[in-house]
Amino acid sequence: AQTVTQSQPEMSVQEAETVTLSCTYDTSENNYYLFWYKQPPSRQMILVIRQEAYKQQNATENRFSVNFQKAAKSFSLKISDSQLGDTAMYFCASGGSNYQLIWGAGTKLIIKP
Amino acid sequence: DSGVTQTPKHLITATGQRVTLRCSPRSGDLSVYWYQQSLDQGLQFLIHYYNGEERAKGNILERFSAQQFPDLHSELNLSSLELGDSALYFCASSATAASYNEQFFGPGTRLTVL
Repeated sequence: AQTVTQSQPEMSVQEAETVTLSCTYDTSENNYYLFWYKQPPSRQMILVIRQEAYKQQNATENRFSVNFQKAAKSFSLKISDSQLGDTAMYFCASGGSNYQLIWGAGTKLIIKP
Repeated sequence: DSGVTQTPKHLITATGQRVTLRCSPRSGDLSVYWYQQSLDQGLQFLIHYYNGEERAKGNILERFSAQQFPDLHSELNLSSLELGDSALYFCASSATAASYNEQFFGPGTRLTVL
């Protein structure tokens, strides 16, 4: 069975600090994609970043970057210079040629002023 | 704005009732996914439709059903409602049936069952 595990239910850091959210996954797909979605207090789900498994280079989007370790099946999200607006639930997900994303349970991130 | 619309935004009803939630995908997207999110919980995948056909089913209760119409909008029907069905129901759309595509989420319908 395909699984996605987020082992940190909640984290909090001071504004401007760097924080890393962990995600491990297991998939039978040869070509798959990994995602981080953000859900702020407004509850709107927004894609933060996407990584294609066959690409060795880690994806980056402004202050957001991933550390993709394929052999270890690890896909962590690093947020640099954290801002109050980064306070949200963060969900890791895995997808491929099948018809549904596999979601982690989420990590609640609180940025403190 | 994701381009995905959901109506209504809020719905309050009583136990035993039936409700219909509606979703219009982004222009050009053929896939619609439905999710349930209870308070402070993760996303529970319910069902996926692609171009009018069911493609995947998650932990959807028998009291729940869905369909996607020729104009690609989708409806989620919830019947014999129970208190535990109170949740935020999301619809998401994507371009194709494969899950490697980005899913664009609607704002959700908040269902309260009293």
